[in-house]
Amino acid sequence: KAGVTQTPRYLIKTRGQQVTLSCSPISGHRSVSWYQQTPGQGLQFLFEYFSETQRNKGNFPGRFSGRQFSNSRSEMNVSTLELGDSALYLCASSARPGLAGVRHTGELFFGEGSRLTVL
Amino acid sequence: AQSVAQPEDQVNVAEGNPLTVKCTYSVSGNPYLFWYVQYPNRGLQFLLKYITGDNLVKGSYGFEAEFNKSQTSFHLKKPSALVSDSALYFCAVRERPNNQGGKLIFGQGTELSVKP
Repeated sequence: KAGVTQTPRYLIKTRGQQVTLSCSPISGHRSVSWYQQTPGQGLQFLFEYFSETQRNKGNFPGRFSGRQFSNSRSEMNVSTLELGDSALYLCASSARPGLAGVRHTGELFFGEGSRLTVL
Repeated sequence: AQSVAQPEDQVNVAEGNPLTVKCTYSVSGNPYLFWYVQYPNRGLQFLLKYITGDNLVKGSYGFEAEFNKSQTSFHLKKPSALVSDSALYFCAVRERPNNQGGKLIFGQGTELSVKP
Protein backbone atom coordinates (compact mmCIF):
# COMPACT_ATOMS: atom_id res chain seq x y z
CA LYS A 1 0.00 0.00 0.00
CA ALA A 2 1.45 3.37 -0.98
CA GLY A 3 2.24 5.78 1.81
CA VAL A 4 1.43 9.45 2.17
CA THR A 5 2.74 11.42 -0.79
CA GLN A 6 3.67 15.07 -0.57
CA THR A 7 4.65 17.34 -3.41
CA PRO A 8 6.82 19.20 -4.01
CA ARG A 9 9.58 17.93 -1.72
CA TYR A 10 11.60 21.13 -1.90
CA LEU A 11 10.76 24.65 -2.99
CA ILE A 12 12.18 28.14 -2.72
CA LYS A 13 10.02 31.25 -2.69
CA THR A 14 10.54 34.93 -2.00
CA ARG A 15 8.77 37.09 0.54
CA GLY A 16 5.30 38.12 -0.52
CA GLN A 17 4.73 35.18 -2.82
CA GLN A 18 2.27 32.40 -2.15
CA VAL A 19 2.75 28.66 -2.17
CA THR A 20 0.53 25.60 -2.50
CA LEU A 21 1.54 22.21 -1.13
CA SER A 22 -0.16 18.95 -1.99
CA CYS A 23 -0.78 15.78 -0.02
CA SER A 24 -2.21 12.45 -1.10
CA PRO A 25 -3.19 10.27 1.86
CA ILE A 26 -2.94 6.53 2.18
CA SER A 27 -5.67 4.83 0.19
CA GLY A 28 -8.79 4.55 2.31
CA HIS A 29 -7.74 7.23 4.78
CA ARG A 30 -10.15 10.13 4.90
CA SER A 31 -8.49 12.33 7.48
CA VAL A 32 -5.59 14.58 6.55
CA SER A 33 -3.78 16.85 8.96
CA TRP A 34 -0.94 19.30 8.44
CA TYR A 35 1.97 20.23 10.69
CA GLN A 36 4.71 22.81 10.51
CA GLN A 37 8.15 21.83 11.77
CA THR A 38 10.79 24.43 12.57
CA PRO A 39 13.94 24.21 14.71
CA GLY A 40 12.64 26.86 17.09
CA GLN A 41 8.98 25.92 17.48
CA GLY A 42 9.14 22.21 16.83
CA LEU A 43 6.09 20.46 15.43
CA GLN A 44 2.96 22.55 15.41
CA PHE A 45 -0.50 21.54 14.29
CA LEU A 46 -1.94 23.58 11.44
CA PHE A 47 -5.30 22.00 10.62
CA GLU A 48 -7.15 18.77 9.95
CA TYR A 49 -9.61 17.89 7.22
CA PHE A 50 -12.11 15.08 7.07
CA SER A 51 -14.75 14.58 4.40
CA GLU A 52 -13.78 17.88 2.77
CA THR A 53 -14.44 19.81 5.98
CA GLN A 54 -11.96 21.45 8.30
CA ARG A 55 -12.40 19.75 11.66
CA ASN A 56 -9.63 21.29 13.73
CA LYS A 57 -7.43 24.33 13.40
CA GLY A 58 -4.23 25.35 15.13
CA ASN A 59 -3.07 28.82 16.09
CA PHE A 60 -1.81 30.10 12.77
CA PRO A 61 -2.73 33.32 10.99
CA GLY A 62 -5.29 33.39 8.22
CA ARG A 63 -2.50 33.36 5.62
CA PHE A 64 -2.43 29.62 6.18
CA SER A 65 -5.34 27.82 4.61
CA GLY A 66 -6.19 24.41 3.32
CA ARG A 67 -8.78 22.32 1.62
CA GLN A 68 -9.62 18.72 0.95
CA PHE A 69 -11.05 17.22 -2.20
CA SER A 70 -13.60 14.47 -2.62
CA ASN A 71 -10.81 11.92 -3.20
CA SER A 72 -9.33 12.91 0.21
CA ARG A 73 -6.31 14.62 -1.33
CA SER A 74 -5.49 17.84 0.44
CA GLU A 75 -3.72 21.07 -0.32
CA MET A 76 -2.47 23.79 1.94
CA ASN A 77 -1.76 27.32 0.86
CA VAL A 78 0.34 30.02 2.43
CA SER A 79 -0.14 33.52 1.08
CA THR A 80 2.08 36.57 1.47
CA LEU A 81 5.04 34.50 2.54
CA GLU A 82 7.27 35.69 5.35
CA LEU A 83 10.81 34.62 6.20
CA GLY A 84 9.46 32.85 9.28
CA ASP A 85 7.36 30.57 7.13
CA SER A 86 10.48 28.67 6.15
CA ALA A 87 9.86 25.20 7.51
CA LEU A 88 9.24 21.57 6.82
CA TYR A 89 5.52 21.09 6.22
CA LEU A 90 4.32 17.62 7.07
CA CYS A 91 1.10 16.01 6.04
CA ALA A 92 -0.35 13.04 7.89
CA SER A 93 -3.28 10.78 7.20
CA SER A 94 -5.31 8.51 9.39
CA ALA A 95 -8.42 6.42 9.30
CA ARG A 96 -11.35 7.85 11.16
CA PRO A 97 -14.02 6.15 13.24
CA GLY A 98 -17.13 5.26 11.42
CA LEU A 99 -15.38 3.59 8.53
CA ALA A 100 -16.79 0.11 8.10
CA GLY A 101 -14.32 -2.54 9.21
CA VAL A 102 -11.68 -0.02 10.24
CA ARG A 103 -10.88 0.45 13.90
CA HIS A 104 -9.60 3.90 14.71
CA THR A 105 -6.27 3.04 16.23
CA GLY A 106 -5.17 6.60 16.49
CA GLU A 107 -1.75 6.82 14.92
CA LEU A 108 -0.97 9.21 12.13
CA PHE A 109 1.02 8.23 9.05
CA PHE A 110 3.29 11.01 7.88
CA GLY A 111 4.61 11.92 4.47
CA GLU A 112 8.21 12.90 3.76
CA GLY A 113 7.34 16.57 3.96
CA SER A 114 7.70 19.65 1.79
CA ARG A 115 10.65 21.83 2.72
CA LEU A 116 9.87 25.46 2.04
CA THR A 117 12.58 28.10 2.02
CA VAL A 118 11.50 31.74 1.91
CA LEU A 119 14.16 34.22 0.81
CA ALA B 1 -3.42 23.24 28.79
CA GLN B 2 -2.25 20.06 27.20
CA SER B 3 1.49 19.62 26.95
CA VAL B 4 4.23 17.11 26.38
CA ALA B 5 7.74 17.47 27.74
CA GLN B 6 10.91 15.77 26.66
CA PRO B 7 13.39 16.97 29.26
CA GLU B 8 16.53 15.96 27.37
CA ASP B 9 17.49 17.65 24.11
CA GLN B 10 20.11 14.99 23.50
CA VAL B 11 20.83 11.48 24.72
CA ASN B 12 24.16 9.79 24.09
CA VAL B 13 24.65 6.05 24.50
CA ALA B 14 27.18 3.47 23.43
CA GLU B 15 26.16 0.78 21.01
CA GLY B 16 24.93 -2.30 22.85
CA ASN B 17 23.91 -0.37 25.96
CA PRO B 18 20.30 0.16 26.97
CA LEU B 19 18.71 3.48 26.07
CA THR B 20 15.92 5.55 27.57
CA VAL B 21 14.30 8.63 26.07
CA LYS B 22 12.08 10.41 28.56
CA CYS B 23 8.62 11.87 28.07
CA THR B 24 6.09 13.34 30.47
CA TYR B 25 2.65 14.64 29.62
CA SER B 26 -0.08 16.84 30.99
CA VAL B 27 -3.58 16.36 29.62
CA SER B 28 -7.09 16.14 30.94
CA GLY B 29 -8.56 12.67 31.01
CA ASN B 30 -6.89 9.53 29.75
CA PRO B 31 -4.55 10.20 26.86
CA TYR B 32 -3.47 8.37 23.76
CA LEU B 33 0.35 8.41 23.73
CA PHE B 34 2.69 7.94 20.79
CA TRP B 35 6.35 7.78 19.91
CA TYR B 36 7.66 8.76 16.49
CA VAL B 37 11.16 8.77 15.02
CA GLN B 38 12.52 11.13 12.39
CA TYR B 39 15.64 10.55 10.33
CA PRO B 40 17.35 13.52 8.63
CA ASN B 41 15.27 15.12 5.89
CA ARG B 42 12.52 12.55 6.33
CA GLY B 43 9.02 12.51 7.70
CA LEU B 44 7.98 10.98 11.01
CA GLN B 45 7.76 7.22 11.39
CA PHE B 46 5.39 5.70 13.92
CA LEU B 47 7.11 3.54 16.56
CA LEU B 48 4.46 2.63 19.11
CA LYS B 49 1.43 3.81 21.00
CA TYR B 50 -0.41 3.43 24.27
CA ILE B 51 -4.18 3.47 24.17
CA THR B 52 -5.21 1.26 27.06
CA GLY B 53 -4.24 -2.03 28.66
CA ASP B 54 -0.76 -3.19 29.59
CA ASN B 55 1.55 -0.43 30.73
CA LEU B 56 4.46 -1.87 28.75
CA VAL B 57 3.99 -1.37 25.05
CA LYS B 58 6.15 -3.01 22.43
CA GLY B 59 6.75 -1.38 19.09
CA SER B 60 8.86 -1.38 15.97
CA TYR B 61 12.63 -2.01 15.74
CA GLY B 62 12.85 -3.47 19.27
CA PHE B 63 11.60 -0.35 21.01
CA GLU B 64 9.20 -0.42 23.93
CA ALA B 65 7.66 2.18 26.17
CA GLU B 66 6.38 2.16 29.70
CA PHE B 67 3.23 4.08 30.59
CA ASN B 68 3.13 5.33 34.17
CA LYS B 69 -0.12 7.06 35.03
CA SER B 70 0.90 8.24 38.49
CA GLN B 71 4.04 9.88 37.14
CA THR B 72 2.35 10.93 33.88
CA SER B 73 5.29 9.52 31.97
CA PHE B 74 5.75 7.48 28.82
CA HIS B 75 9.47 6.74 28.50
CA LEU B 76 10.85 5.06 25.39
CA LYS B 77 13.31 2.23 25.94
CA LYS B 78 15.44 -0.26 24.08
CA PRO B 79 17.54 -2.98 25.73
CA SER B 80 20.45 -2.75 23.31
CA ALA B 81 21.07 0.36 21.19
CA LEU B 82 22.25 0.28 17.58
CA VAL B 83 24.16 2.97 15.71
CA SER B 84 21.26 3.01 13.25
CA ASP B 85 18.94 4.10 16.07
CA SER B 86 20.55 7.54 15.95
CA ALA B 87 17.74 9.93 15.04
CA LEU B 88 15.30 12.49 16.43
CA TYR B 89 12.58 11.04 18.65
CA PHE B 90 9.25 12.66 19.37
CA CYS B 91 6.71 11.89 22.04
CA ALA B 92 3.13 12.94 21.30
CA VAL B 93 -0.24 12.89 22.99
CA ARG B 94 -3.81 13.05 21.81
CA GLU B 95 -6.91 13.25 23.92
CA ARG B 96 -9.50 10.53 23.55
CA PRO B 97 -12.35 12.48 21.97
CA ASN B 98 -12.59 11.33 18.41
CA ASN B 99 -13.11 14.79 17.04
CA GLN B 100 -9.50 15.46 17.97
CA GLY B 101 -8.39 12.57 15.80
CA GLY B 102 -5.73 14.31 13.76
CA LYS B 103 -4.38 16.68 16.34
CA LEU B 104 -1.31 15.52 18.16
CA ILE B 105 0.66 17.57 20.63
CA PHE B 106 4.36 16.88 20.22
CA GLY B 107 7.26 17.26 22.56
CA GLN B 108 10.27 19.24 21.42
CA GLY B 109 12.13 16.12 20.41
CA THR B 110 15.21 14.31 21.72
CA GLU B 111 18.25 13.75 19.57
CA LEU B 112 19.54 10.23 20.17
CA SER B 113 23.16 9.58 19.31
CA VAL B 114 24.49 6.03 19.48
CA LYS B 115 28.26 5.69 19.20
CA PRO B 116 30.07 2.51 18.14
